[in-house]
Amino acid sequence: DSGVTQTPKHLITATGQRVTLRCSPRSGDLSVYWYQQSLDQGLQFLIQYYNGEERAKGNILERFSAQQFPDLHSELNLSSLELGDSALYFCASSGTVNEKLFFGSGTQLSVL
Amino acid sequence: QQQVKQSPQSLIVQKGGISIINCAYENTAFDYFPWYQQFPGKGPALLIAIRPDVSEKKEGRFTISFNKSAKQFSLHIMDSQPGDSATYFCAARTGNTGNQFYFGTGTSLTVIP
Repeated sequence: DSGVTQTPKHLITATGQRVTLRCSPRSGDLSVYWYQQSLDQGLQFLIQYYNGEERAKGNILERFSAQQFPDLHSELNLSSLELGDSALYFCASSGTVNEKLFFGSGTQLSVL
Repeated sequence: QQQVKQSPQSLIVQKGGISIINCAYENTAFDYFPWYQQFPGKGPALLIAIRPDVSEKKEGRFTISFNKSAKQFSLHIMDSQPGDSATYFCAARTGNTGNQFYFGTGTSLTVIP
């Protein structure tokens, strides 16, 4: 168990809808990362937050947004969903050293 | 654009054999190179990592070889076991812009008994 909790584990929705994925980092970790995993693209970095502030942005679509709350949990919001957004979404957290990423078990999103 | 290129995409090895996965990068700002192991239904977990100031790091049956001049690094799994069957990701971290980690596309390893 990595100590990173992601909910829900599975999400099935329709095109055009909006969903929210939630992540609770390991106790004490200030950094939260979001990744999208698809079969052909591997793990694609979406966005990073550090202690409530956006730290880095990767290949995140404008339809996607995220935030990190004062209690350090994070939410990834995906809107106007398309079939191509179907993927496994991972959250990871790290401590101040920022070397070891601890991944959650992921949220499997299926857009029908 | 894939910042870290990984090969092969899949690998089948006999039990007891050596599994070798290769990765290459271009960005000289990368300062830390971890490998992650992922089992089905689980998130990736750190397996072993290396910094660019050393050429090799060994932990048990797992070894990273690092060639800074060629901008390449590889994972060697000695005496491969069926329990090693998983997907392996190489990654590279840049300290610029908030410690971003870039991952390879993954290698699905199957070790057959």
